[in-house]
Amino acid sequence: DTAVSQTPKYLVTQMGNDKSIKCEQNLGHDTMYWYKQDSKKFLKIMFSYNNKELIINETVPNRFSPKSPDKAHLNLHINSLELGDSAVYFCASSQSGGLQETQYFGPGTRLLVL
Amino acid sequence: AQSVTQLGSHVSVSEGALVLLRCNYSSSVPPYLFWYVQYPNQGLQLLLKYTTGATLVKGINGFEAEFKKSETSFHLTKPSAHMSDAAEYFCAVSDNNFNKFYFGSGTKLNVKP
Repeated sequence: DTAVSQTPKYLVTQMGNDKSIKCEQNLGHDTMYWYKQDSKKFLKIMFSYNNKELIINETVPNRFSPKSPDKAHLNLHINSLELGDSAVYFCASSQSGGLQETQYFGPGTRLLVL
Repeated sequence: AQSVTQLGSHVSVSEGALVLLRCNYSSSVPPYLFWYVQYPNQGLQLLLKYTTGATLVKGINGFEAEFKKSETSFHLTKPSAHMSDAAEYFCAVSDNNFNKFYFGSGTKLNVKP
C-alpha cells in the first residue's frame, strides 16, 4: 500500500511544453506539499495545501500552478517548461498544516527538460 | 528568518564506526527540527524529529539526535555504522509561526566495509 504516490516517475519533455505531475495520498491527511530538489540536492518547498486551500506559496514562477481537486490529491501543472525546471519534484503530506507534523514523502518525479 | 547548515556534503566512515552528521540552524523562535534520509532514487523518509520535551531524540535504525539550544545544533549520531546506512541525510527546520519548512543541503554518508 503506497502512502504517497506520484505519477509519472520519470518525465522527459521539450522546452516550451506544458506538463502535469499527479500526487495522491491515502493517509487521510489534511495537508499536502510540493517540493523541488535541484541537481545539488537542495530541497525547497514550493506549495502547501490544507483542506484544498493554499497556505504556502513560495516564490516560484507563475508557470507552476498547483491544483487540489480534493484532500487526497495535489497535482502540479507546469506551463512553458524551461531548462531550469529540470529537477526532482517531491510530493508530501501531513496530518495537519502544522509543520511540526511528520511529513510523508512520495518517491519523486524526475523531470528532464531538453 | 530560519536557515539550516549541514557541515560536510560528504562523510565517509567505516562499517562499525561512529556516525556523526552535523546540523546547525538559525531561528528567531523555538524551532521544530527534523532529520530525513533519502536512499538512492527514493523519496525522503523521516528518521526523527524534535518538537518539545526531551532534547535527546531517538529515531529509527538506531539513529539519535540531540537538540542543543545553546549551540543551535541538532547533530545526528549512530554508534555503529552499517552498510545499509549509506544514503543522503537532510536536516530540516520549521517554525510554526511562519509556517515555513527549510531543508539543509544534505550530507551524503558513505560506509566503507
